[in-house]
Amino acid sequence: AQSVTQLDSQVPVFEEAPVELRCNYSSSVSVYLFWYVQYPNQGLQLLLKYLSGSTLVKGINGFEAEFNKSQTSFHLRKPSVHISDTAEYFCAVSLGITGGGNKLTFGTGTQLKVEL
Amino acid sequence: GAVVSQHPSRVICKSGTSVKIECRSLDFQATTMFWYRQFPKKSLMLMATSNEGSKATYEQGVEKDKFLINHASLTLSTLTVTSAHPEDSSFYICSARVRVAGSYNEQFFGPGTRLTVL
Repeated sequence: AQSVTQLDSQVPVFEEAPVELRCNYSSSVSVYLFWYVQYPNQGLQLLLKYLSGSTLVKGINGFEAEFNKSQTSFHLRKPSVHISDTAEYFCAVSLGITGGGNKLTFGTGTQLKVEL
Repeated sequence: GAVVSQHPSRVICKSGTSVKIECRSLDFQATTMFWYRQFPKKSLMLMATSNEGSKATYEQGVEKDKFLINHASLTLSTLTVTSAHPEDSSFYICSARVRVAGSYNEQFFGPGTRLTVL
């Protein structure tokens, strides 16, 4: 079975500073990787996904992530954050097209708090 | 496009009563819907997968008689929490997707329902 680890439960950062949210996964087969954002009392919004191809994936709101197969990581980055980026961020994995029915396994989330 | 709604957004009920939560795909037909539960400051835990016209598949540890799921149409799935107790209080989120064999099918998430059992 696959699993996802988000080591940082909270990441405080000043506005306009860069940020990296870490995500590591474990799986014995190929996977798809995702980052979602959740604002308070709301559902999840997809930021970006890696299915195949280029390992650098660009998403919405200026976020990007890089798939590193050797390190089994999919870290999320943004060069300059804004107050409005304050939210909970979830990394998720699903098995590749060969199995799993696209069920998502989520990490425990990282609370990004952007301060003035 | 790809909007998923949930109703109600918040519900408070007394212990022992049943509560129904609706999940609708507004602009697409969802062959599969997923139900998740999220505890405060915790991740989302998949409860069950429902395919239109068939019985739901529950994850290990989820009581199917307590959390009744019905996916009667391609745009509607319902989750009924039967004989609710305070420990059932949680944030319930659904997602929906169109299943196309041989390709990745994105899940679109609803806004969630906050259930509080007194």
